[in-house]
Amino acid sequence: DAGVTQSPTHLIKTRGQQVTLRCSPKSGHDTVSWYQQALGQGPQFIFQYYEEEERQRGNFPDRFSGHQFPNYSSELNVNALLLGDSALYLCASSLAGGDRRVDFGAGTRLSVL
Amino acid sequence: AQTVTQSQPEMSVQEAETVTLSCTYDTSESDYYLFWYKQPPSRQMILVIRQEAYKQQNATENRFSVNFQKAAKSFSLKISDSQLGDAAMYFCALNFGNEKLTFGTGTRLTIIP
Repeated sequence: DAGVTQSPTHLIKTRGQQVTLRCSPKSGHDTVSWYQQALGQGPQFIFQYYEEEERQRGNFPDRFSGHQFPNYSSELNVNALLLGDSALYLCASSLAGGDRRVDFGAGTRLSVL
Repeated sequence: AQTVTQSQPEMSVQEAETVTLSCTYDTSESDYYLFWYKQPPSRQMILVIRQEAYKQQNATENRFSVNFQKAAKSFSLKISDSQLGDAAMYFCALNFGNEKLTFGTGTRLTIIP
């Protein structure tokens, strides 16, 4: 039973570029959330997707956008990258109305130079 | 808004001893869940234990147990018989309703052989 998978594991970009991160949820899960974890900090909620729509959004600018596909996989897009966007991006999946269990992927480390 | 506070940035314990990690939180909700996650250097966020707010009985999972004090909004994690593999960052997290997690800043646990 595959868990949450994320790609790529590591990415290096320069300021102003755009990046796309990908996530496949755990089998049986239908909800995907994205978190940003800066070095030495706890994860911060970016947004959540359910039924291909953004259901909730944290305090992040519009440069951060996402998408959920019919197979429940998801993408996180970040435009006009800033140095401060350097972080570990975690994808989490869960089952809406389920037992509140949230499973995480191993993350994508984004470095913006 | 809900907040989660972990006041111990770092803790250390001798192998086979017991250690307690502290967490306090604030929420106006009555139905919520509390979690402890472990994040080793591999970056994978691993669920250690969870507690439903409506349950008075403290949750236990093998060597891990919690002391949940709802009135005081306190949720501490006790690790018994500490093992080298327990070394990691530990995050306390809170959620209600729709699986968005609010995390604390984490406690780095070191196990001394």
